[in-house]
Amino acid sequence: AQKVTQAQTEISVVEKEDVTLDCVYETRDTTYYLFWYKQPPSGELVFLIRRNSFDEQNEISGRYSWNFQKSTSSFNFTITASQVVDSAVYFCALNQAGTALIFGKGTTLSVSS
Amino acid sequence: DSGVTQTPKHLITATGQRVTLRCSPRSGDLSVYWYQQSLDQGLQFLIQYYNGEERAKGNILERFSAQQFPDLHSELNLSSLELGDSALYFCASSVERGLNTGELFFGEGSRLTVL
Repeated sequence: AQKVTQAQTEISVVEKEDVTLDCVYETRDTTYYLFWYKQPPSGELVFLIRRNSFDEQNEISGRYSWNFQKSTSSFNFTITASQVVDSAVYFCALNQAGTALIFGKGTTLSVSS
Repeated sequence: DSGVTQTPKHLITATGQRVTLRCSPRSGDLSVYWYQQSLDQGLQFLIQYYNGEERAKGNILERFSAQQFPDLHSELNLSSLELGDSALYFCASSVERGLNTGELFFGEGSRLTVL
């Protein structure tokens, strides 16, 4: 069975703080894909990143960075120098062969000025 | 703009009624997925279609059904509605067929309120 756990339900930070959103996954497959999506207050789901299970290289995109560690089954997401516009619900998701994308419960990030 | 279009954006109806949600995928995408987002259950996968055929089923109730038409648009039919069906229903599309190795492009969702 596959499962995604985002233990942090809500996080509140002040602008310019760094924040890390945790994601722990469970799967028995050796081939799988991990994703992060952002859901701003407007409601749509915005794709942020995809990672396959064979690529543990960390990735940085502007203020966003992702740390994938197979040893701990984690795929954490860090926002550096957070901004008010980063306020949203962030979802981690997992996909493996023959199944649809499975989402975690999400972490609500509130960034205040 | 993801390129996925969902209508209606908002829908208010009464218990026992039936509604149809519509989704037009991105141009060229053959797979359509339906998800339900509610406060207590989070984002739940309902069903996937690929080029008109059902490919995968998730936690879809028997009162719900879906189909994908030859022009690739999809409809999600919800019948005998209950209060607990109130949720945001998302449609997503992708190019891939089975293993979704790529990103899903989500529509803006249809918010259903059952009174």
